[in-house]
Amino acid sequence: GQNIDQPTEMTATEGAIVQINCTYQTSGFNGLFWYQQHAGEAPTFLSYNVLDGLEEKGRFSSFLSRSKGYSYLLLKELQMKDSASYLCAVWGNNNDMRFGAGTRLTVKP
Amino acid sequence: EAGVTQFPSHSVIEKGQTVTLRCDPISGHDNLYWYRRVMGKEIKFLLHFVKESKQDESGMPNNRFLAERTGGTYSTLKVQPAELEDSGVYFCASSQRSYEQYFGPGTRLTVT
Repeated sequence: GQNIDQPTEMTATEGAIVQINCTYQTSGFNGLFWYQQHAGEAPTFLSYNVLDGLEEKGRFSSFLSRSKGYSYLLLKELQMKDSASYLCAVWGNNNDMRFGAGTRLTVKP
Repeated sequence: EAGVTQFPSHSVIEKGQTVTLRCDPISGHDNLYWYRRVMGKEIKFLLHFVKESKQDESGMPNNRFLAERTGGTYSTLKVQPAELEDSGVYFCASSQRSYEQYFGPGTRLTVT
């Protein structure tokens, strides 16, 4: 079967660092994505990994290990506005995108 | 640059009725995708257009759903007849490069 697993909820403190993990088992792999979605809004693209390693983009970084079927999104210097759901998605065969259920991150003062 | 737009933003219909959702992608984006998020579940892929051609419609739940993209510009997703389980948020996304999809605001469909 195909699974994309990520924690349901996480809480962190403003200014801290948080790591959101994602494990996947899919038929085919053409890349892994992280999206941010605020309540009632559309998902917005954060990052894309297709090769193993770390991709850094400002306060956000994303890591991929294809052999382990594992990725994480690292958020540094957390801000209150970072409170949102973070969606892990895998681009598989047949050009379809499969999403995890999302991790709801709450940033507290 | 205008983003992906979707119409309507909300739709409330009765079971058995027909609803048509519209998506206008970012100008110049050949790739257009439809997704659906049912309450409490993850976002699920429905189908993918490249210009006016259906590249992959493996995610379409059944034959009550019909997607079109005449002329390779905007797309419509028709649900006929609607059932209670069709309620959810329908997202459209477009991209030029396949890995960077821009999502529209979604259409919230409620079937009563």
